[in-house]
Amino acid sequence: GENVEQHPSTLSVQEGDSAVIKCTYSDSASNYFPWYKQELGKRPQLIIDIRSNVGEKKDQRIAVTLNKTAKHFSLHITETQPEDSAVYFCAANSGYSTLTFGKGTMLLVSP
Amino acid sequence: DAGVIQSPRHEVTEMGQEVTLRCKPISGHDYLFWYRQTMMRGLELLIYFNNNVPIDDSGMPEDRFSAKMPNASFSTLKIQPSEPRDSAVYFCASSFDSEKLFFGSGTQLSVL
Repeated sequence: GENVEQHPSTLSVQEGDSAVIKCTYSDSASNYFPWYKQELGKRPQLIIDIRSNVGEKKDQRIAVTLNKTAKHFSLHITETQPEDSAVYFCAANSGYSTLTFGKGTMLLVSP
Repeated sequence: DAGVIQSPRHEVTEMGQEVTLRCKPISGHDYLFWYRQTMMRGLELLIYFNNNVPIDDSGMPEDRFSAKMPNASFSTLKIQPSEPRDSAVYFCASSFDSEKLFFGSGTQLSVL
């Protein structure tokens, strides 16, 4: 089955800096890669996703890049703000209509 | 739509007791997923349904766990008997395409 590795497990940045979270996946058949944000005590929520037919996607301050050859994808957050502090999960689909999630990255943005 | 609705929000029980978690998916979503979240193991898929039919239950840890979806608007996850190691946050999620998941608020389960 699919295996998704995510790093770093924790990331601390100053407000206004950029943050990058990286994930690798194992199943070359995976073609959908979403990112979820989970604030403390809340539910995970989809913030951005990318399909394997594109290499990059942007939505305001967040962007995701995908390298199919290397089987890795990354989340980029620019001009970080304290409200970006949360746990971020990457995921990849498998051939069975399910998502496999990474272990999560706790992002702390200090004012 | 109110989103995915789970109940209860918190459950504290004693080892050996039966626990039933409930979920109402978003209307029109044909997929329903049960996930368990712990610090050590992250988000683990337990089971998922498509059109009320269980498709993959390979993530269900033991026979103590069972899940049902009697109709398109209701699903249950039951643990009997419960054990302390079952303590976790249990999320239900629904989807119209099996990819974009909409999570409920979760049930925080504590087994003493």
